[in-house]
Amino acid sequence: GDSVTQMEGPVTLSEEAFLTINCTYTATGYPSLFWYVQYPGEGLQLLLKATKADDKGSNKGFEATYRKETTSFHLEKGSVQVSDSAVYFCALSEGTGGFKTIFGAGTRLFVKA
Amino acid sequence: EAGVAQSPRYKIIEKRQSVAFWCNPISGHATLYWYQQILGQGPKLLIQFQNNGVVDDSQLPKDRFSAERLKGVDSTLKIQPAKLEDSAVYLCASSLVAGGHTGELFFGEGSRLTVL
Repeated sequence: GDSVTQMEGPVTLSEEAFLTINCTYTATGYPSLFWYVQYPGEGLQLLLKATKADDKGSNKGFEATYRKETTSFHLEKGSVQVSDSAVYFCALSEGTGGFKTIFGAGTRLFVKA
Repeated sequence: EAGVAQSPRYKIIEKRQSVAFWCNPISGHATLYWYQQILGQGPKLLIQFQNNGVVDDSQLPKDRFSAERLKGVDSTLKIQPAKLEDSAVYLCASSLVAGGHTGELFFGEGSRLTVL
């Protein structure tokens, strides 16, 4: 079945450091890919998405490119801030099997000043 | 625009007791989801409704969990009887797309269940 694997955390960075959180997926068809973020005490919210191969999703300085050849959707940010501290979830959604969204285990990011 | 509303936010019960969670999705959203998020894990889909019909409940433990979505709007998730391993955050989400490709999910703040 479909699945999402993302790098284990926690990831601890200093402010202004470069961030990469790896995500790979397994899918039978052509899924859409997402990054959701969960800030402390809040619900999950969409950070960015890409719906087809080679698309780049971007938001709030974060970027991720849909790489079909490597089945990856790595999240990057050039300069993290303390306010980026959160849990990040990679997810896929596919049109077959009921259009459900499957999430990775999440990666906790701590950014220190 | 009002977001996805869930209640209660927190619930503590003894094992073998029952509990119910309520969700009101964003107005006009045809699809409603219940996810279970155990501490340290990603959300796991329990059940997905499209309007008031079930699309997917393959991972719902039907011997103890039940869910309904009357009139295609509000939904209730019930656990009876609860087990210790049901301790988790129960997330409700909704999406606009009624069919075809799934788009963005909008989540509520979740209902945190502790089973003692």
